[in-house]
Amino acid sequence: AQKITQTQPGMFVQEKEAVTLDCTYDTSDPSYGLFWYKQPSSGEMIFLIYQGSYDQQNATEGRYSLNFQKARKSANLVISASQLGDSAMYFCAMREGGGSGAGSYQLTFGKGTKLSVIP
Amino acid sequence: ETGVTQSPTHLIKTRGQQVTLRCSSQSGHNTVSWYQQALGQGPQFIFQYYREEENGRGNFPPRFSGLQFPNYSSELNVNALELDDSALYLCASSSSDVSLRYGYTFGSGTRLTVV
Repeated sequence: AQKITQTQPGMFVQEKEAVTLDCTYDTSDPSYGLFWYKQPSSGEMIFLIYQGSYDQQNATEGRYSLNFQKARKSANLVISASQLGDSAMYFCAMREGGGSGAGSYQLTFGKGTKLSVIP
Repeated sequence: ETGVTQSPTHLIKTRGQQVTLRCSSQSGHNTVSWYQQALGQGPQFIFQYYREEENGRGNFPPRFSGLQFPNYSSELNVNALELDDSALYLCASSSSDVSLRYGYTFGSGTRLTVV
């Protein structure tokens, strides 16, 4: 089974509107972290937001918020007030295991969602 | 602070050849990971280096190997290149001393084309 599933290959949103990008995950590890990255055409993966499995509140970073539903194993990214510069690929990723110290920091990525912002 | 720098940015190699990709990690980061991103796919974990030792590896054959140097920079070596090795190779650095809440820092990648 896939560990990270992003079911939306592509999404369109009108400028200044909000958009939700879906992500579901699968793990049996009680300690894990969920990340969202933005990848513009330049190729660099830009960190957007992080949610730890034990975090009590949904993460927020400026216009980005994460709708974390632990029981449903979903971690959807909400972008408010979309801008033309938000057009890019968006990836959901998961790290399983503890959150600090030496150890494997392997990230498992989904296949991504291509977001296009329409003027 | 400086980010992650990868070189070269683009590379074309012939099947069967060997290639070396380089990565300078972000200042203060002591762990480096490498990822392969095929066209239209998400990145796939290749391996990770911490204190100059490989301490995690994904499902990649031994012809993918790496090094980490005392200054925490890293190399990815691929021997006997195959056409399917054509991809964007991303380097990510992180620190074992802080929570991963702060994320990994990725470089812009090296785009490798094997012909």
